Amino acid sequence: AQSVTQLGSHVSVSEGALVLLRCNYSSSVPPYLFWYVQYPNQGLQLLLKYTSAATLVKGINGFEAEFKKSETSFHLTKPSAHMSDAAEYFCAVSVNSGGSNYKLTFGKGTLLTVNP
Amino acid sequence: DAGVIQSPRHEVTEMGQEVTLRCKPISGHDYLFWYRQTMMRGLELLIYFNNNVPIDDSGMPEDRFSAKMPNASFSTLKIQPSEPRDSAVYFCASSPWGRDNEQFFGPGTRLTVL
Repeated sequence: AQSVTQLGSHVSVSEGALVLLRCNYSSSVPPYLFWYVQYPNQGLQLLLKYTSAATLVKGINGFEAEFKKSETSFHLTKPSAHMSDAAEYFCAVSVNSGGSNYKLTFGKGTLLTVNP
Repeated sequence: DAGVIQSPRHEVTEMGQEVTLRCKPISGHDYLFWYRQTMMRGLELLIYFNNNVPIDDSGMPEDRFSAKMPNASFSTLKIQPSEPRDSAVYFCASSPWGRDNEQFFGPGTRLTVL
């Protein structure tokens, strides 16, 4: 079974600073990896996804993530934080097991705070 | 596209009452998922459907919970009887076949059981 670990339940950065949110996964087969963002009182919105194409994935709002198989990691970065980035971020993993398993396994989330 | 639609957005009820949450997935999506989110347990998958058929209900906490999908455009999650520990935000998500398992989430229903 696959699993996800997000390191740090709360990350605080200054506006304009680098954002780095960490995600490590476990999977016995090549995974699909996702980052979702949740703004207060809203549902989850897809930021980006890795599906075995390019290892550096670019998403919306200036975010990107790099798939590193050797480190089993899929960390999320943004060069310069904006106040509007304050939200909770979830890493998720899924596997393509012949069309029978479409579940996503989510990490526990990282709350990002951006200070002015 | 209207996205995934959930109703009601907020529900407050008393312990012992029946609660029904509703979801309309995105048209053409083959998969529908029900999740529960709490501070303590995070985001939990309760059940998911493929082409209206329940595939995996191993996350349903107990017999008080039931879910149905009578057609491709409607699903319900029912709790009977409700208990205070059921208080949570319940999300519905849908996914089209062939989109690398990407899921599209609704805005959620915030349930409070007094």
